[in-house]
Amino acid sequence: SAVISQKPSRDICQRGTSLTIQCQVDSQVTMMFWYRQQPGQSLTLIATANQGSEATYESGFVIDKFPISRPNLTFSTLTVSNMSPEDSSIYLCSVSYRGEGQKLFFGSGTQLSVL
Amino acid sequence: DAKTTQPPSMDCAEGRAANLPCNHSTISGNEYVYWYRQIHSQGPQYIIHGLKNNETNEMASLIITEDRKSSTLILPHATLRDTAVYYCIVTGTYKYIFGTGTRLKVLA
Repeated sequence: SAVISQKPSRDICQRGTSLTIQCQVDSQVTMMFWYRQQPGQSLTLIATANQGSEATYESGFVIDKFPISRPNLTFSTLTVSNMSPEDSSIYLCSVSYRGEGQKLFFGSGTQLSVL
Repeated sequence: DAKTTQPPSMDCAEGRAANLPCNHSTISGNEYVYWYRQIHSQGPQYIIHGLKNNETNEMASLIITEDRKSSTLILPHATLRDTAVYYCIVTGTYKYIFGTGTRLKVLA
């Protein structure tokens, strides 16, 4: 099964600062995604991380607020910029693998609290 | 918006079968039905998926109606560790739209 390492697992940050979340996968994947789960809510897709090019953002999410990088097939970062308490959420990396169809595998998530 | 509708919560006695329904009346011909579960605040875990036929694996069974407008996830012998939020997702791509899911509570 997939091994998806997400760092940090949790953090408490001050308003106005930025946090970069890392997602490292054990083998080459076809697609990488970032999701957000606000307290008590379901998961919402933020963007698709594209290797070597700009991420594809969903409606309501913009690059200035959530810059994403994917320098190679197995690594991606999500930055939450200029944070406010409304950004307090769980952020999740997910990936798909060749041969697994459209099945997604999820990391354990980053629990972010903004004070 | 999510393409699926699920009851917000269900209870099931330990050792009994848990049957979780999902309505997806607007499903397209090339869209699959996927089921995931999320235990506490962990990342969602894949359970099973299907297109038309019923499917079974070591975790669960998936029953899809002939018109494909609804499905049922069956956990044959629920345990306390099956307490989780269960999400039914309909998609023809990698883009998942999560609904609110069903919070299943397995009772001792």
